[in-house]
Amino acid sequence: QQQVKQSPQSLIVQKGGISIINCAYENTAFDYFPWYQQFPGKGPALLIAIRPDVSEKKEGRFTISFNKSAKQFSLHIMDSQPGDSATYFCAASADSWGKLQFGAGTQVVVTP
Amino acid sequence: ETGVTQTPRHLVMGMTNKKSLKCEQHLGHNAMYWYKQSAKKPLELMFVYNFKEQTENNSVPSRFSPECPNSSHLFLHLHTLQPEDSALYLCASRQGAFSGNTIYFGEGSWLTVV
Repeated sequence: QQQVKQSPQSLIVQKGGISIINCAYENTAFDYFPWYQQFPGKGPALLIAIRPDVSEKKEGRFTISFNKSAKQFSLHIMDSQPGDSATYFCAASADSWGKLQFGAGTQVVVTP
Repeated sequence: ETGVTQTPRHLVMGMTNKKSLKCEQHLGHNAMYWYKQSAKKPLELMFVYNFKEQTENNSVPSRFSPECPNSSHLFLHLHTLQPEDSALYLCASRQGAFSGNTIYFGEGSWLTVV
C-alpha cells in the first residue's frame, strides 16, 4: 500500500518556467515532509522540508506548499533551469527514527 | 560527497553467487538504513539499524542479510538472489531521534542479477 502518492510521473518545462509536483498522503500521523532531489548516478539529496504547522516554506527558487486539511503538499520550482533536471521525490515520516515513506518520483526535464 | 560511501558501485552476480554490499558513513551518525530503488517505484525501506541494533526489517526476504558491526559500517549480504532483485541499493544514515534530522544517502550500488 503506497502511503504517499506523487504526480505527475514526468514533467517537461521550458527554462524559466514553473515546475509543480504534487503529493498526497493518508496517514494523519505524518509530521515531517521532505523533498529529495536525485541526479542520475547519484543518491537522493534533501532539497527542502516542511512540518505541518506551516502552510508554506520557501528556499531560493524552491517552495513547498502544504494543505493539512486536504492532506496534500506540493513542490514548486520557480524560474526552472536546465540544472534542475532531475528526479524529485516527496516523502513523509511519522516516527522519530525517520522511517520515510517515499512517493514514486517525478522526472523533471528543463529544456533550454 | 555526502559522507556516505558505498562499494561496489556496480555488481553483476549470478543467482547462485554470494556477494556483499558495503556502506560506510563518515558523519558520526547513529542510525543507518538500507533502501531498494527500482525503476518507477517508490524507494523501499529494507532495514533500519539504530546504535548497531536492527530495529526494522521491512518484510525483506532472507536472501538479503544485513550486518552492522559498528555505527559507521553497514553491510548487505546477498545470496541466491532472483533477477527481480536487480535494482539500486541505497545506504543512508541519520543522527539522532528527531524526525526532522536529515537522512543522508550514499550514491548507491547498482545490482544486476543474471
